[in-house]
Amino acid sequence: QKEVEQNSGPLSVPEGAIASLNCTYSDRGSQSFFWYRQYSGKSPELIMSIYSNGDKEDGRFTAQLNKASQYVSLLIRDSQPSDSATYLCAAPNAGGTSYGKLTFGQGTILTVHP
Amino acid sequence: SAVISQKPSRDICQRGTSLTIQCQVDSQVTMMFWYRQQPGQSLTLIATANQGSEATYESGFVIDKFPISRPNLTFSTLTVSNMSPEDSSIYLCSAAATEIQYFGAGTRLSVL
Repeated sequence: QKEVEQNSGPLSVPEGAIASLNCTYSDRGSQSFFWYRQYSGKSPELIMSIYSNGDKEDGRFTAQLNKASQYVSLLIRDSQPSDSATYLCAAPNAGGTSYGKLTFGQGTILTVHP
Repeated sequence: SAVISQKPSRDICQRGTSLTIQCQVDSQVTMMFWYRQQPGQSLTLIATANQGSEATYESGFVIDKFPISRPNLTFSTLTVSNMSPEDSSIYLCSAAATEIQYFGAGTRLSVL
């Protein structure tokens, strides 16, 4: 079983819609989770981090964490064509501290069409 | 956040040669990492660059092939040795002062 697994893509949504990206993880001890966005030909950039159960909102982005079910999601409201990218979910390696190594999911390609 | 400069941004190399990639951070950081990203794939961790000691390699990666240096808290290098076409990939360094990792722009390597 992969340590961090993202729902298969690619995901295509119309402009203005809500894009929902999901991620599950295997290590119940994980305390922190990260969403990175990667544009084609560019390096990953952090867009959200979440540490506690519940929702965390930042502009059009909302991260949701459910530790009991071991999933973390990212919602993008009012999706724009500029949101078209690969989104990577990451969690600390099993047994590692939050200052240590990260394991990345396989990524979900999001396309927002006008 | 940390600003990371990585160079070269891209290179085309001949089989059997070596390439050293440099990663410079604008502030002292606790952790530095090196990743490889194959086309259309996610990030695979190569190793953790430890300041003042040997790097810690992940399964499938060895020091002879990917020697790493980290002479201080702001700089690291990754060498890809005795290259073959299978080494063609994007190599990324990252740095973390807290739990958040920031990435350099990456090095796109093509081996002929």
